[in-house]
Amino acid sequence: QITLKESGPTLVKPTQTLTLTCTFSGFSLSTSGVGVGWIRQPPGKALEWLALIYWNDDKRYSPSLKSRLTITKDTSKNQVVLTMTNMDPVDTATYYCAHMTIVTTILFYFDYWGQGALVTVSS
Amino acid sequence: QSVLTQPPSVSEAPRQRVTISCSGSSSNIGNSAVSWYQQLPGKAPKLLIYYDDLLPSGVSDRFSGSKSGTSASLAISGLQSEDEADYYCATWDDSLNGPVFGGGTKLTVL
Repeated sequence: QITLKESGPTLVKPTQTLTLTCTFSGFSLSTSGVGVGWIRQPPGKALEWLALIYWNDDKRYSPSLKSRLTITKDTSKNQVVLTMTNMDPVDTATYYCAHMTIVTTILFYFDYWGQGALVTVSS
Repeated sequence: QSVLTQPPSVSEAPRQRVTISCSGSSSNIGNSAVSWYQQLPGKAPKLLIYYDDLLPSGVSDRFSGSKSGTSASLAISGLQSEDEADYYCATWDDSLNGPVFGGGTKLTVL
């Protein structure tokens, strides 16, 4: 059974750095064809992909946020960490991590999702 | 503004059929598989369709997906009140070099 759970601060101040941890079970991020992605959703708005990391440590970032994002994995701890610098109130959102099944770059899907973590950016 | 265009809302009566469209381009839908997600109010998204038209285990066969060219569609037949949710399409975008989601469609069962 695959499960994922996001953890991190619920409130951050503008200009601070956000660090979110996705702790998962039921799969290994060293297995070929597996990845973990981060997706966020501002209140009342659509899903927005942020970053993903593949089993082979290849990484992709949303071009619009690339300069602010870093994604890493710790296979031994079954964790993926996302950091986002220079937080702004517009970054207020629910942040999800999700398991990806990947055959090729263009053949993928997010098949398991965490419950989400609401992060509010406010002074 | 997403690169994948979905209608903001659709509505239909119970037991009827509804379709939700997702329009893209040759750099995304035209070149990559589409997946669909259902997001019930206050919940995390759930995978409904993958690889354009395949159903994950446990998903009702009232849901179906299709794709033609640079557009994809999700169809829901025999509508039930519990189908009221937001629905999102997703695919890979070559220009962005990453996944993209549609703007989402809110389904109301009248």
